[in-house]
Amino acid sequence: QQPVQSPQAVILREGEDAVINCSSSKALYSVHWYRQKHGEAPVFLMILLKGGEQKGHEKISASFNEKKQQSSLYLTASQLSYSGTYFCGTEEGGAGSYQLTFGKGTKLSVIP
Amino acid sequence: DGGITQSPKYLFRKEGQNVTLSCEQNLNHDAMYWYRQDPGQGLRLIYYSQIVNDFQKGDIAEGYSVSREKKESFPLTVTSAQKNPTAFYLCASSPMAGADTEAFFGQGTRLTVV
Repeated sequence: QQPVQSPQAVILREGEDAVINCSSSKALYSVHWYRQKHGEAPVFLMILLKGGEQKGHEKISASFNEKKQQSSLYLTASQLSYSGTYFCGTEEGGAGSYQLTFGKGTKLSVIP
Repeated sequence: DGGITQSPKYLFRKEGQNVTLSCEQNLNHDAMYWYRQDPGQGLRLIYYSQIVNDFQKGDIAEGYSVSREKKESFPLTVTSAQKNPTAFYLCASSPMAGADTEAFFGQGTRLTVV
């Protein structure tokens, strides 16, 4: 079952912050975040495993609340290069299910 | 350079014809995946393989077939049974099947059936 991402699209000015949410109706083992630019392959950002950890990657960080089956991606002080479509991928249940299911994506546009 | 290669980048076929999309990786990864991407639909899993000579259906396997005869190759055949085959197809690989490892994606093949 596809996780639900929100918002579907967001427009930011350079330097502004954004939050992208990902939620599932089922218990999650992990959440992956990827960014895809138009016409290109998705690029890995980070993985979060259950345990409520938060990870950071430059000015992009994410949290995972396994109780709420939710993850959020935080983009701070956005840059033009952040533009693209962000996908969360979720693995349900326990480790070893091997099936990574992606949401429909959030299109982020950063303008000068 | 290590990576994952999909070919061709663009593919046109007539309706009713089977077509095979190539996916090769030289990363020595055990797991390989095929996803289909349609506008506004995200990435939907077609098939995945954890080891050679073994593969499992994903969420939308109907009308598709795969093989995994070699570790580095995971071709996808879009058969005439697939009702709406026009889409962008992405192949991915990871060091091992499971949630702890990142997936590396190829550049994709855009298939158009006319």
